[in-house]
Amino acid sequence: ETGVTQSPTHLIKTRGQQVTLRCSSQSGHNTVSWYQQALGQGPQFIFQYYREEENGRGNFPPRFSGLQFPNYSSELNVNALELDDSALYLCASSAGTGVYEQYFGPGTRLTVT
Amino acid sequence: LAKTTQPISMDSYEGQEVNITCSHNNIATNDYITWYQQFPSQGPRFIIQGYKTKVTNEVASLFIPADRKSSTLSLPRVSLSDTAVYYCLAQGGSYIPTFGRGTSLIVHP
Repeated sequence: ETGVTQSPTHLIKTRGQQVTLRCSSQSGHNTVSWYQQALGQGPQFIFQYYREEENGRGNFPPRFSGLQFPNYSSELNVNALELDDSALYLCASSAGTGVYEQYFGPGTRLTVT
Repeated sequence: LAKTTQPISMDSYEGQEVNITCSHNNIATNDYITWYQQFPSQGPRFIIQGYKTKVTNEVASLFIPADRKSSTLSLPRVSLSDTAVYYCLAQGGSYIPTFGRGTSLIVHP
């Protein structure tokens, strides 16, 4: 059984640029959630995708957008990067929405300079 | 959205039992309590989940009293490798999971 993978592992971008982060969900999982984790803080929910549709969104501006593909892999896109976007971005897959156990990937460390 | 409150940090010693309490006064009827463990620079890892009374698995126990306003994660005989941040979540049909800052557990030799 393949776990959740994310790419890239590290990324450095300049303020104002755009970035795309990728996530492959665990086999058999149809739901992907994205989180932002700043240093010393807990993960903050960005949004969730269920069967290619957005299924819930946290308190993040529209420049944070996402996609889920037919194979349930997912992308997180962030436009007009700001310094405060520097964080660990985590992807989690689950067998469904609601109370299902989430399986997290190792994360992508994004640094915005 | 059910907000959870946990101690910011705890210290213990190898071989001891550790109990981490989480307060969730406004938990919804359809919310479950879920605990995750996170090591530095890694994603959180599921530990245990429950609705009420007691749940036990190979790594932990979860106690939830009848009023469900709090819960306690119990880690039996901790080792140095249990040093991590532990998060309590109330999650259910309204899927906006809120992690909070978690409890940083340090296990000493």
